[in-house]
Amino acid sequence: NAGVTQTPKFQVLKTGQSMTLQCAQDMNHEYMSWYRQDPGMGLRLIHYSVGAGITDQGEVPNGYNVSRSTTEDFPLRLLSAAPSQTSVYFCASGQDPAGGGTQYFGPGTRLLVL
Amino acid sequence: GDSVTQMEGPVTLSEEAFLTINCTYTATGYPSLFWYVQYPGEGLQLLLKATKADDKGSNKGFEATYRKETTSFHLEKGSVQVSDSAVYFCALSAWYFGNEKLTFGTGTRLTIIP
Repeated sequence: NAGVTQTPKFQVLKTGQSMTLQCAQDMNHEYMSWYRQDPGMGLRLIHYSVGAGITDQGEVPNGYNVSRSTTEDFPLRLLSAAPSQTSVYFCASGQDPAGGGTQYFGPGTRLLVL
Repeated sequence: GDSVTQMEGPVTLSEEAFLTINCTYTATGYPSLFWYVQYPGEGLQLLLKATKADDKGSNKGFEATYRKETTSFHLEKGSVQVSDSAVYFCALSAWYFGNEKLTFGTGTRLTIIP
């Protein structure tokens, strides 16, 4: 049981490049989410999904796309990277948090945009 | 909208000291409340939670009581250890139609000195 896995662990991009951050879980959770963590700002929700084929925007969705074609995978796409997207990105999966569901976080992807 | 306000850090304590990290919230609906902990270089993991008023969550010697009258969920531990050094996040998720989001506070960095 691997839990939530994220790849890559670290990435350097140039402004304007695109990339996909991968996230996978093997716990059969319907709910998955992406956060970014910046100093002094805690975790901010980017996008989330309540099941395959269903996604919705969080607090800071601009510049990011997601899709959910399977229960297991929830990739995050940066279409045209900007220095403001330099951050640590966490993927999580779990039961619906509004019902008290625990979220299980991946180890994070550290992204640097030059 | 929903929000969480946490005690500003960083907090530095000596080993075996008493710990309190304050957390207050604003929410629509009836929130579930959580404390997550992030150890250096890792993702977040659930420390404890409470899903209704007057519930007490507890784990690893940490406790927090859901106080609806003061909209608070303060984290306490009677005797901290060096291994408790981490960043602590208070979070909520409120149960109302269309909301499946987890809202985090900005985090409180705790350092325990031997």
